[in-house]
Formats: sequence, structure tokens, C-alpha cells
Amino acid sequence: EVQLVESGGGLVQPGRSMKLSCAASGFTFNNYDMAWVCQAPKKGLEWVATISYDGSSTYYRDSVKGRFTISRDNAKSTLYLQMDSLRSEDTATYYCARHDPYTVEGVMDAWGQGASVTVSS
Amino acid sequence: DIVLTQSPALAVSLEQRATISCKTSQNVDNYGISYMHWYQQKPGQQPKLLIYEGSNLASGIPARFSGSGSGTDFTLTIDPVEADDIATYYCQQSKDYPRTFGGGTKLELK
Repeated sequence: EVQLVESGGGLVQPGRSMKLSCAASGFTFNNYDMAWVCQAPKKGLEWVATISYDGSSTYYRDSVKGRFTISRDNAKSTLYLQMDSLRSEDTATYYCARHDPYTVEGVMDAWGQGASVTVSS
Repeated sequence: DIVLTQSPALAVSLEQRATISCKTSQNVDNYGISYMHWYQQKPGQQPKLLIYEGSNLASGIPARFSGSGSGTDFTLTIDPVEADDIATYYCQQSKDYPRTFGGGTKLELK
């Protein structure tokens, strides 16, 4: 069974940092591109970042470029999101998602349960 | 950025057909494939992939869900609607970065 389990969320002050993790199991992690998608309270889904299967390529939405870093450790089957210089507008639930390699790029066929991040003083 | 526009809500009766639309600001087709996908999200849960590439049913999804459209106009159809289908539905394009989602359509019971 495919499982994606996020951790590391919580309350953080504006300007500080937080690192999310996503532990993957039930599939060969190093064969899949991965992504982070966020959802602000009562709002819609917003793609944050994608990393290629081997970590060689990364892509970010403009609002997080230079502040967030997506990375992975294939030996540990774990995806990360390092979030620096956090702002109140980064408050959201952050989902880890797997990209389906058997379709066109960008299809997210498995999702974690989400990690809640609240940026507030 | 490619903007995806969905109606905020749709009221439907059980066992009737629901049609949810998604319009994009740019063509999301390439070489005959639509880079348009649909997700279902129930309250307090993570999203679930329903349809990929415009019309392909994801694994384990009931056949009462179907997707159609091309270019800039896409539709998700649920026929017939069951009580378990009450949720918010999102379209998403992967033609370009940034990947973008529609604002979501909340399916409600009439």
C-alpha cells in the first residue's frame, strides 16, 4: 500500500524557519518525481514545488522561490520542504504528493494526509 | 500563469447527473493529449486523483465519473451522483509551470 506521511508542522513565528518531512513507503521512491501542494484554511489547492526522481531538477512557484527548498533523500525514501523566512500567508496545510510516471508530467496520483503550518506571532 | 476557472458550487439531487466545468486561460493540450486532471477532496481529507489527461479514469475510481473536453474547456461528469460524492472537485493543469488548480467546485445536495 502506498503511504505518504508528513511530519514537522506546527506553530512558527514570522521570519523563522520550519522543515517538513514526508516519509514514503509501499513503492520505489527513487522512481518518482514528488511535489508539495498547500491549502490555506478554507481555500483551494496551490502547487508549491516539484523535485525530479533523482533530485537533479526542482521547480517552485514564484511566491516561495528563494525562501523554500524542496529536497529528497532516496536512501531514506523521504521528501523534505525547508521553509525559511516564513510569512503569515504561508499558513496552510502542506501535502506531499507523488507524481505518476506513467502519465503526462504533473499528475499527482497519491497524497499524504497533510501537515499543518501556522505562521503567527 | 495558466488560470483555471471553476464555478464555486453546484447543487444536485441524488441519482441525477452533475456536470462540473473548468475553463483555462490558455490551451492545455499538446500533441493531442490534454494536460488536465481532476481531483476530489472531502472535508478533512487529502485530495484524490479521479481523472488524468482529460478523460482517463484513475485506478479504483468508479465508472460513474468521467472527464471530457480539450483545449481550454473541460468537464467532469458524475452520473449518477451518490451521497458519497459530496465533496469539492478541483481541476489542475500540468501543461506549464507553475502547476495551477482551479478554485474548486463544491458539490452540494439540492
